[in-house]
Amino acid sequence: KQEVTQIPAALSVPEGENLVLNCSFTDSAIYNLQWFRQDPGKGLTSLLLIQSSQREQTSGRLNASLDKSSGRSTLYIAASQPGDSATYLCAVNSNSGYALNFGKGTSLLVTP
Amino acid sequence: GAGVSQSPSNKVTEKGKDVELRCDPISGHTALYWYRQRLGQGLEFLIYFQGNSAPDKSGLPSDRFSAERTGESVSTLTIQRTQQEDSAVYLCASSYGSIGELFFGEGSRLTVL
Repeated sequence: KQEVTQIPAALSVPEGENLVLNCSFTDSAIYNLQWFRQDPGKGLTSLLLIQSSQREQTSGRLNASLDKSSGRSTLYIAASQPGDSATYLCAVNSNSGYALNFGKGTSLLVTP
Repeated sequence: GAGVSQSPSNKVTEKGKDVELRCDPISGHTALYWYRQRLGQGLEFLIYFQGNSAPDKSGLPSDRFSAERTGESVSTLTIQRTQQEDSAVYLCASSYGSIGELFFGEGSRLTVL
């Protein structure tokens, strides 16, 4: 069974800092990996989707990397802003089974 | 529609009553998922529909839970004889194909008194 772990569970940084969120998974046989953002009381917003054949994806200040062989992905946020405060979730779409396996998320607080 | 739509957004019910939650996926999306998120917890997979294939019901926690989907359109999640532990946000998501980018609705918050 695919296990997805996100470290750290919570992170607080001052505005302007660059930061890295980590996601690891136990089974490298994946189709893709997706990063989401969840604001309190809201649904999940898709940020980036990385296919298993890709090494990274970029969208604005966000860059996600994937190292499938080592079972790791990172989400890099450049020049963080208070509006980036949210919970960030990593989800893995494995070759076995249909459901995405989610990590428990990293709760990010960016202080002004 | 422009996004995944879920209704109701909030539902308060008494223990023992049945509830029905609705999900309208993005037009053209063949895959539809239901997840549950308890307060402060991660996402828990419930059920998956892909086109006309048999659904993957492996995540349904008990036989009080059931879901239907008509073709590639609306899905309903039904919880019979609700219990307090059913209180959670129920999230629906859809994608184009089983490995496409997943898009979520805003969720239905269920409170069982």
